Amino acid sequence: DAGVIQSPRHEVTEMGQEVTLRCKPISGHNSLFWYRQTMMRGLELLIYFNNNVPIDDSGMPEDRFSAKMPNASFSTLKIQPSEPRDSAVYFCASSLALGRGRETQYFGPGTRLLVL
Amino acid sequence: QKEVEQDPGPLSVPEGAIVSLNCTYSNSAFQYFMWYRQYSRKGPELLMYTYSSGNKEDGRFTAQVDKSSKYISLFIRDSQPSDSATYLCAMSTNSGYALNFGKGTSLLVTP
Repeated sequence: DAGVIQSPRHEVTEMGQEVTLRCKPISGHNSLFWYRQTMMRGLELLIYFNNNVPIDDSGMPEDRFSAKMPNASFSTLKIQPSEPRDSAVYFCASSLALGRGRETQYFGPGTRLLVL
Repeated sequence: QKEVEQDPGPLSVPEGAIVSLNCTYSNSAFQYFMWYRQYSRKGPELLMYTYSSGNKEDGRFTAQVDKSSKYISLFIRDSQPSDSATYLCAMSTNSGYALNFGKGTSLLVTP
């Protein structure tokens, strides 16, 4: 199994530009999570999809952030316009959700975003 | 105050030492307790999980949960340089999907 795939692995952009991060979950998993990790705040959940439907986006910091999951094998996280404070490592994780709160989440390698 | 607190370290120990990593939490509804290991520039990977209180052992690793004190621990015996990583605790409720993570403790095991 290839695991969770994320692209790009690194992204450097200028303030105001649009950034799109991509994720391919593990085949057969029905839940997908986007996280952001910083030294100051640690790992924060941004949004959670179940069966391609956004269930909880309360962690999305601002309207500049949006996420989509058009099918079971692909999701995007978009930041428009980007700001320096968005610099972080963004992780995508997937799991086979059975509604019991203990499903293992498998993380991708992350995308390191630097906004200048 | 975050629901899950974890000392960020760094913690440096010599090879062969016993390592103790800890987290405290405030939400009494947490029932599932997990430890993730994150190597530098990699994503977190699940190391151990425990349901409710008690101990769980897996090789050199032991996870302990004390719900009365809202305190969980991860012990690493005979630590190895390959154990050098950041260890994150995570917790969830019975029905919840969300994992509440600690900020992670950075561990360095020196040869």
